Parts: sequence; C-alpha cells; structure tokens
Amino acid sequence: AQTVTQSQPEMSVQEAETVTLSCTYDTSESDYYLFWYKQPPSRQMILVIRQEAYKQQNATENRFSVNFQKAAKSFSLKISDSQLGDAAMYFCAFGFYGQNFVFGPGTRLSVLP
Amino acid sequence: GAVVSQHPSWVICKSGTSVKIECRSLDFQATTMFWYRQFPKQSLMLMATSNEGSKATYEQGVEKDKFLINHASLTLSTLTVTSAHPEDSSFYICSASPRLLLDTGELFFGEGSRLTVL
Repeated sequence: AQTVTQSQPEMSVQEAETVTLSCTYDTSESDYYLFWYKQPPSRQMILVIRQEAYKQQNATENRFSVNFQKAAKSFSLKISDSQLGDAAMYFCAFGFYGQNFVFGPGTRLSVLP
Repeated sequence: GAVVSQHPSWVICKSGTSVKIECRSLDFQATTMFWYRQFPKQSLMLMATSNEGSKATYEQGVEKDKFLINHASLTLSTLTVTSAHPEDSSFYICSASPRLLLDTGELFFGEGSRLTVL
C-alpha cells in the first residue's frame, strides 16, 4: 500500500520570502504521479503542481517548484516570493491515472505580512 | 481545465432526514468519481469509488446503507446521506477522473458540500 507523509503540520513564511514544504511517500510502483494541492479557506482543492515519476526534471509552475528525489521517495514543494494568497492547507498526493489519490495529512501554511 | 460542479455547497437538515449531494462533470465524461469526507483540519478521507453503471466500492468502515452512491451517467454521481444524524455533519468532496484525457493523472475536484445535521 502507498503512504504519503507530510512531517510539518504547520509552517509560516514572511511575505516575499521562500518556504519549502516536505513530503515523502512510500510505494513499490515505478510509474506514478505526484501532486501538490492547495486548499484555501474556501475548501476548493486547487492543483498547484504535478510531477510524473518517469521524468527526472523537476516540475515548475511560476513561483512553485518541486524537488523530486525518486530514489529517496521525496517530493518537496518550494514557494518563492510568497504572497498572502498562498496561505492555505497544502496536501501532497500520490496517484495513478484514473485511480484515487493517496493524500498526505497536510501542512497549514501561514504567510505573515 | 476540466470543471466539476458539486451541489449544494451547504445544507442544513433535521436529524432523521435524507440529503442528496450531486457531483457533475461539466465538460468531460467521468468514468470514475470519488467521494471523500473531510473533518476539520484533517486530510481527505476516501469514502467510496463510483463507476458509471456499476455499484460503488466502499472503503472499510463506511456504511453502504447510510451513504448511498449512484453513478447513473458519465457526468453525474450522487451521494445520499440517509437518516442523517449530527455525527454525519461534515464536509463532503467529490472528484472525477476523465474518461478520455491526455494522461495527466490528474483528478478534478468539486467545490465541496458542507452538511450540518441538527
């Protein structure tokens, strides 16, 4: 069975600074997807970034980037130039096409003005 | 991007009544939909997997007779909380997996429904 661990229940960052959220996972599969989702107070799940396991290159989306270490089964999210709107619950998720994700417990990110 | 609409966004009902929550994929066909329950400050807990035209697969510990799931078409799945009680109060979220999609592996989420049982 797959598991996803987020060891930081809460994090805070100063506005305009950089923060890294940690995620580790466990699986015996070789081909899979990894995601970071953001859940703001509205509770809508918003995709932040995705990574295919077969790609060695780390995914980037504007201010968001990941550090994907397949051998270590690590998938951290870096948020650069943090903005007040980045404050949310962040979930790391592991998945296959068409199948349910395995979600981590989440990290609550606060952005300080 | 693909859109999943969930309705109602919030509902209050009396204990003993039944409540239906709808999950619709607006611009794609969803062979599979998932229903989650989320407690405050916790992660999403999978309740059941719904496949079009077949019975839903429930996770261990989820009461099939209390949480009725129907996936009658490729764009609609419903969750009915039967004989609701205050302990059923929660935030319920659906997600959908497109039938035909570039292989992104992504799931698309509804806006969620907050149920309060008095």
